[in-house]
Amino acid sequence: DVKVTQSSRYLVKRTGEKVFLECVQDMDHENMFWYRQDPGLGLRLIYFSYDVKMKEKGDIPEGYSVSREKKERFSLILESASTNQTSMYLCASSRQLKGEKLFFGSGTQLSVL
Amino acid sequence: AQKITQTQPGMFVQEKEAVTLDCTYDTSDPSYGLFWYKQPSSGEMIFLIYQGSYDQQNATEGRYSLNFQKARKSANLVISASQLGDSAMYFCAMRWGMTTDSWGKFQFGAGTQVVVTP
Repeated sequence: DVKVTQSSRYLVKRTGEKVFLECVQDMDHENMFWYRQDPGLGLRLIYFSYDVKMKEKGDIPEGYSVSREKKERFSLILESASTNQTSMYLCASSRQLKGEKLFFGSGTQLSVL
Repeated sequence: AQKITQTQPGMFVQEKEAVTLDCTYDTSDPSYGLFWYKQPSSGEMIFLIYQGSYDQQNATEGRYSLNFQKARKSANLVISASQLGDSAMYFCAMRWGMTTDSWGKFQFGAGTQVVVTP
């Protein structure tokens, strides 16, 4: 069965901390994504990676960075967490071919206090 | 820039009735795909249905069908014979290309909350 695994389901951090959210997929997918989900705003793309070490900014990259050193792993980094980054973070992956759907992880609810 | 719009924040529907969830999109890419996902209260994202921009026929998957009107740039989801288990948030999404044959980003709408009542 295909799987996208996010390392934490719930995370509580303090303002100013550096935060790492990890995501691993076992499907050899080329593309990986980080979204944040907020009520009324849907899923907003933070960053997208289409290959190892390759990335593109999404709609809301400010305050975030990413790392993809291996094909199966895509990390989201909050360099200095702020309260407005409290949100649900969803990782997803997909094959690059047209028509291929997204597979999602179970999400990380991050609270920044 | 690509954009997905879901204008219905929420709706109630009675069990066994059909419901239509609206989705409009904006893109200048000729090759793109439209997807619908369901997110129940558990939070998992469940893929429902897909329609490619060049597909001639509307997609169907069991009780789900996609009313694709390319000229109007709309891709409405129709759920027939609603069940209590259909209560969830529904997201429309669009994917478009890096090249004609390979696609990159997915963009999502704000979602529509559906509550099915007995």
